[in-house]
Amino acid sequence: LAKTTQPISMDSYEGQEVNITCSHNNIATNDYITWYQQFPSQGPRFIIQGYKTKVTNEVASLFIPADRKSSTLSLPRVSLSDTAVYYCLVGENRDDKIIFGKGTRLHILP
Amino acid sequence: EAGVAQSPRYKIIEKRQSVAFWCNPISGHATLYWYQQILGQGPKLLIQFQNNGVVDDSQLPKDRFSAERLKGVDSTLKIQPAKLEDSAVYLCASSSSGRFYNEQFFGPGTRLTVL
Repeated sequence: LAKTTQPISMDSYEGQEVNITCSHNNIATNDYITWYQQFPSQGPRFIIQGYKTKVTNEVASLFIPADRKSSTLSLPRVSLSDTAVYYCLVGENRDDKIIFGKGTRLHILP
Repeated sequence: EAGVAQSPRYKIIEKRQSVAFWCNPISGHATLYWYQQILGQGPKLLIQFQNNGVVDDSQLPKDRFSAERLKGVDSTLKIQPAKLEDSAVYLCASSSSGRFYNEQFFGPGTRLTVL
C-alpha cells in the first residue's frame, strides 16, 4: 500500500475555499485515492474517491495530477460545520484493507 | 436505510476486567470491520470479516482480543483481560464488499475507558 503524507492541521475562515493536499509518491497503477471525514465523537464518513483527473460531488472536489503522486481535496465555501479530521487513503482495486494515517485536522474559524 | 449500529456507546471498566462490544452492520453488507481509534490517531484496523470468515486479523492482539461474526451478520468484539492501553474508541464499519473502492460505513463507536 502506498504511504500518504498530509498536513497535520490547517486553519481557515468561513466562506473560504480550503484545499488539503495529500502526497502519495509510491502510488501504484491500480491504486484509488479516497478521502474520509471524521467529526468529533463520530465514525469516519466517505467524502470522495478518484483515480485520475478531477472528480466532483455535492460535498467536495478531488484534483489528481497526471503523475498521480499527489491529490488535493477541495472544500468550497467552508462553514464552521466543516471542522473535522480529513483522511487521505490510497489503495488497490482489489481485496485490500484500508489504512488510516493521522489525517489533517481542519479548524474553521468564524 | 439504517446505518451501522453499535452498543454500548460508552463503557468504563477496571484493568483486568473483560468487556464486549456489539455491532450490527448495514443489511446486506458482506464485509465487516472492527477498528481501534486511540485519541489523536487515525483508526487502526483490528479485524476484517467477509461474511462469517476472517479476512485479516494481523493487527488483533489475539492474547486478549477476540471477535466473531455469527451467521455473517452481527459481530462481537471482546477484550479479556483489559489493559490501560486499551482505552480507545472501537469503531465498527461495513461495506458491500472488501474491495478498497467500496465505501465503508462507520458506526458511532464505543468509547472504552480502562481505569
